[in-house]
Amino acid sequence: AQSVTQLGSHVSVSEGALVLLRCNYSSSVPPYLFWYVQYPNKGLQLLLKYTSAATLVKGINGFEAEFKKSETSFHLTKPSAHMSDAAEYFCAVSDQDGANNLFFGTGTRLTVIP
Amino acid sequence: GAVVSQHPSWVICKSGTSVKIECRSLDFQATTMFWYRQFPKQSLMLMATSNEGSKATYEQGVEKDKFLINHASLTLSTLTVTSAHPEDSSFYICRPGGLNTEAFFGQGTRLTVV
Repeated sequence: AQSVTQLGSHVSVSEGALVLLRCNYSSSVPPYLFWYVQYPNKGLQLLLKYTSAATLVKGINGFEAEFKKSETSFHLTKPSAHMSDAAEYFCAVSDQDGANNLFFGTGTRLTVIP
Repeated sequence: GAVVSQHPSWVICKSGTSVKIECRSLDFQATTMFWYRQFPKQSLMLMATSNEGSKATYEQGVEKDKFLINHASLTLSTLTVTSAHPEDSSFYICRPGGLNTEAFFGQGTRLTVV
């Protein structure tokens, strides 16, 4: 069985501040982990994915995430928040890449304060 | 990269009527399509998995007679919400299955049943 838990349904940061969105996973097999961003009434956009090649994964829009097996975590960070980063963020896990179903977390809404 | 086209983006229908949502893979062949439902401020939940040329697989609790899925070709999968009721109002999103397809989500369909 696979699942992810996102701690904090709502995170607020000031523009220019560090963004940290938390995700912990549970998986009985080596996981594939993903972060997505969703804007209102839009589909999901893939920010980055972890597939065991490297523990620190760099994605689009300045985001990165670090896979920590000992902590079963895959937290998303960005050094400096922009107003355009305000959106809903989802962490997801799978036992493969896109071939199989993705199990999503409950999401974290990021608000950026000017 | 591959593009998934989902239509319509928005639909309002009267209670008791049926609505068809189409999901097309424009430049690749999708033998599998995942259909998700997202209620307001909630995460994506897998409803069913359609397979080209065979019956769809439904998740527990999803009524197969109410949510008809057809995957008649490698480029088209459809979801029909039959006898829609207000509680079916939701955001429906498709995603093709396959190697490295985790980025390819449809744009989503906002269904409102009045």
